[in-house]
Amino acid sequence: DSGVTQTPKHLITATGQRVTLRCSPRSGDLSVYWYQQSLDQGLQFLIQYYNGEERAKGNILERFSAQQFPDLHSELNLSSLELGDSALYFCASSVGPGTRSTFQETQYFGPGTRLLVL
Amino acid sequence: AQKITQTQPGMFVQEKEAVTLDCTYDTSDPSYGLFWYKQPSSGEMIFLIYQGSYDQQNATEGRYSLNFQKARKSANLVISASQLGDSAMYFCAMREGNTGNQFYFGTGTSLTVIP
Repeated sequence: DSGVTQTPKHLITATGQRVTLRCSPRSGDLSVYWYQQSLDQGLQFLIQYYNGEERAKGNILERFSAQQFPDLHSELNLSSLELGDSALYFCASSVGPGTRSTFQETQYFGPGTRLLVL
Repeated sequence: AQKITQTQPGMFVQEKEAVTLDCTYDTSDPSYGLFWYKQPSSGEMIFLIYQGSYDQQNATEGRYSLNFQKARKSANLVISASQLGDSAMYFCAMREGNTGNQFYFGTGTSLTVIP
């Protein structure tokens, strides 16, 4: 158990709908990262938050958004869902912001949310 | 160019034997970290081992060791005494010092341990 929690574990929804994925980082971790893992694209970095502020953006679609709350939990919102959004969505956490001084920090992953869009 | 390359889509190993999973990386940053994760069929990503670019010795964690060859930019994972529970996908990842926010992942290697 990494200490990172994600809910729900599974989500089935229809095209055009909107869903919210939730993540709680490990105790003491201030950074949260979101990843998408699909069969054809592998593991893709979406976005990072550090202590409530957006820190880095990866291949995140405009239909997707995220935020980190004062209690450090994070939510990933996916809207206008398409079939191609079906994937495993991971949240990971680490202590620091991921700057030059913290590049060696390990990211610990949650169990993932498996999203199926029908 | 790919930051992380894993050239072995699938590997088989006999139980109790050792196996090496290849990983090469591409960076011009002198400060970087290399990580290996295991993803069993249940889906979770499990951290296995870390190697820093300035580390003088190869990292080891139990049955896992990292064969770090800096000049060749390779960071191969060695699993000794393979067990059936080692069957999983294995991902190599890198984090650079100047863009430390992002982890770059390889495409993974599927390892099957044969009884």
